[in-house]
Order: sequence, then C-alpha cells, then structure tokens
Amino acid sequence: DVKVTQSSRYLVKRTGEKVFLECVQDMDHENMFWYRQDPGLGLRLIYFSYDVKMKEKGDIPEGYSVSREKKERFSLILESASTNQTSMYLCASSFEESDTQYFGPGTRLTVL
Amino acid sequence: GNSVTQMEGPVTLSEEAFLTINCTYTATGYPSLFWYVQYPGEGLQLLLKATKADDKGSNKGFEATYRKETTSFHLEKGSVQVSDSAVYFCALNRGFKTIFGAGTRLFVKA
Repeated sequence: DVKVTQSSRYLVKRTGEKVFLECVQDMDHENMFWYRQDPGLGLRLIYFSYDVKMKEKGDIPEGYSVSREKKERFSLILESASTNQTSMYLCASSFEESDTQYFGPGTRLTVL
Repeated sequence: GNSVTQMEGPVTLSEEAFLTINCTYTATGYPSLFWYVQYPGEGLQLLLKATKADDKGSNKGFEATYRKETTSFHLEKGSVQVSDSAVYFCALNRGFKTIFGAGTRLFVKA
C-alpha cells in the first residue's frame, strides 16, 4: 500500500513565523502535490512537483514556497505565516500525470 | 475553464436508504473522473474512477457512470451503512491538475 505521511497532525504558530510542513511518500512516485482544504471550497492546489528540484505553481501559490530535494520528500514553506493561512493542508502523490492521487492524513494549521 | 459542481450537503439518510450525490463537470477534452472519500480525521482516498465516456467505476457498493452527453458523474449506492458517513468529493483530472468539487458531507443514521 502507498503510504503518504505528514510531519504533524496539528500545528499552532504565531503570525510572522516561518512554518515548514513536511510530506514523505514511500512508493517512488514522480509527482507530489500540496493542497489546502477549506469548508465549502473543496481542495485548492498550492504547488506541485513532477520531479526532484522541479516545481510548478498551482492555483493559490501566494504566500507559499516549496522544496523537493529528494524524490520522496516534498516540503511546503510559509515564509511569514498569516491568520488567513489557517487551514487544513493535504499532501498527495501520484505515479503518472493523470493518475490517482494518494493523500496523507493532513496537517491542521492554526495561525494566531 | 475546468470545474466541478456537486450537490451541497449535508445529506442525511437512514441506514439501508438509497444514495445519490450529483456531480457535473465542465472541461475541455476528455478528462478522467474520480470520486474520493474522506473519513473523519483522515486524508482523501480514492473511491472509484472512470477514464472514458460510458465507463462505470465501482467499489464497495458505490457506482458512478461517466456520462459525456450530460457531463455528469453521479455517485450512487443502493443501501448505505453508518460506516459510509464521510465527505465525498467529485474530481476531474486534466494532466497534472486535479480539480475538486466542494465536497458533500453524508450522515447515515442507524
């Protein structure tokens, strides 16, 4: 079974802090994704990566950056956290471009 | 552009009732269509998918048929169980991007 793990289930940070969310997948998938999930809005794509050191902006990249130094690991960085970044963050991976995505359990981030 | 519209919830049903969750899409070309399910406290997981017109995806008693003429992919189950209580997301895939609907929360009462 594919396993996608995220570093924290719950995180509380203060406005202006730098925040790192880590995601690791164990199935040698090429593609990795970061989404945020908000009630009534579904999932919105922040960034994705189709190879090591490669990244592409999604629909809402503002205020975020990403890093993919190793194939299995994809990090989401909030350079200076703001209260409007309070949300559930979901990481996912897939083998091929149009393939099923496998999700981690999510990190609920609260920015005070 | 590409978009997915699904019925608003919450949907509340009694055990063994019939379930339909409507989903329609707008897309260029022929996307793959998915239903994902999110159980409380978990991430999303694939429920079923269909990759071309008239394909029927099925899993765990759930079914959905890719209808190109009505641009729909409605989710159905003949007899729901309490354990089916979750949030259901319809989605379409175009290349690297998956577009998700807003989600429909289902409550099943014993």
